[in-house]
Amino acid sequence: EAQVTQNPRYLITVTGKKLTVTCSQNMNHEYMSWYRQDPGLGLRQIYYSMNVEVTDKGDVPEGYKVSRKEKRNFPLILESPSPNQTSLYFCASSLSITRLSYEQYFGPGTRLTVT
Amino acid sequence: AQTVTQSQPEMSVQEAETVTLSCTYDTSESDYYLFWYKQPPSRQMILVIRQEAYKQQNATENRFSVNFQKAAKSFSLKISDSQLGDAAMYFCAYRSGGSNYKLTFGKGTLLTVNP
Repeated sequence: EAQVTQNPRYLITVTGKKLTVTCSQNMNHEYMSWYRQDPGLGLRQIYYSMNVEVTDKGDVPEGYKVSRKEKRNFPLILESPSPNQTSLYFCASSLSITRLSYEQYFGPGTRLTVT
Repeated sequence: AQTVTQSQPEMSVQEAETVTLSCTYDTSESDYYLFWYKQPPSRQMILVIRQEAYKQQNATENRFSVNFQKAAKSFSLKISDSQLGDAAMYFCAYRSGGSNYKLTFGKGTLLTVNP
């Protein structure tokens, strides 16, 4: 089954304790992206990657890091989480070659709480 | 920067009736894509319908259709024969035809379906 998976689905942590949220897709997609969703704000892009070893900042990158060492994986790293990073996080992926391949597939979301 | 505005934070409809959700966007680009995503209580982001800006014909997917008015920068979603399962948060999203496939989301419209 074609899908985007995220782990963990739920996480409660404390301020300053480094954490990683994993994202993996099995569709051989070049493009991957991270979004955060906050009440009343919709979804906002954190980072994106056009392909392996190619990453760039989105609209709200502060406090986050990413890496893209393999095509299928795009982990989101919070080096020193703070309470304002409490949010619902989505990973998404899509093909990026042809005009027809513009649908983004979303993972199930990761609910992160930082206390 | 592109912006997407959903002017209706909440809407309600009677089962089997028709409802229209509004979306306007601001862009200076001529090549772009528009989407409606549904987010049920499970939090999964589900693509409902998409529209390419270069196509004049309005997209339709079963009970879901759009009214795309390019000059007015308007992209409304019509749901016909509403069902209880249509109850969800609906997000309008814009994607540039350029290199970053970032989706810019509106703040969402919460749709309630009354039996």
